[in-house]
Amino acid sequence: SQQGEEDPQALSIQEGENATMNCSYKTSINNLQWYRQNSGRGLVHLILIRSNEREKHSGRLRVTLDTSKKSSSLLITASRAADTASYFCATEGSDMRFGAGTRLTVKP
Amino acid sequence: NAGVTQTPKFQVLKTGQSMTLQCAQDMNHNSMYWYRQDPGMGLRLIYYSASEGTTDKGEVPNGYNVSRLNKREFSLRLESAAPSQTSVYFCASKLTGINYGYTFGSGTRLTVV
Repeated sequence: SQQGEEDPQALSIQEGENATMNCSYKTSINNLQWYRQNSGRGLVHLILIRSNEREKHSGRLRVTLDTSKKSSSLLITASRAADTASYFCATEGSDMRFGAGTRLTVKP
Repeated sequence: NAGVTQTPKFQVLKTGQSMTLQCAQDMNHNSMYWYRQDPGMGLRLIYYSASEGTTDKGEVPNGYNVSRLNKREFSLRLESAAPSQTSVYFCASKLTGINYGYTFGSGTRLTVV
């Protein structure tokens, strides 16, 4: 069964806009990770945030974690057509669980 | 530095046939994993190996076996393929510890007819 659940399932925006994806989970975790998957390819690790961290940045990515609400968000600023992909959150606790993903489409 | 290499990339099997999916990593990672990805679902863990010489079942191990041949290689075997095993299979590896993410291979697309 899935641990993380992403919201929305699909998101379509224009180039230059910001994209926000959310992830909720159910049990205690050590860390939460976000991955990107381009069509027909493997997953690529984007960012890891530990349970004692609240916010983390990497380039145009900003991740927040609220352990009291068991939720995380991924913000991609100034999106580009190349950001078109599926984005997955994964939670690492006693094991590693992936959500079903958010399909992001960035229109040129 | 190739990362995680999976072979083959595509495979079509008939029901009842067997095959082995190969995975190798060159990053000196201790832990290796096999996942399957089905449409509309996240990745589901089949088996994992926390270190050389150990293997453990994941969420969906039925119908599969694994071998951690050495630190670099972790293979997944389907003894008698079934249509329900049609999926995309991903191998991944990582360093031990909670501060590290996975490195994934590019996947094997398997169809069982």
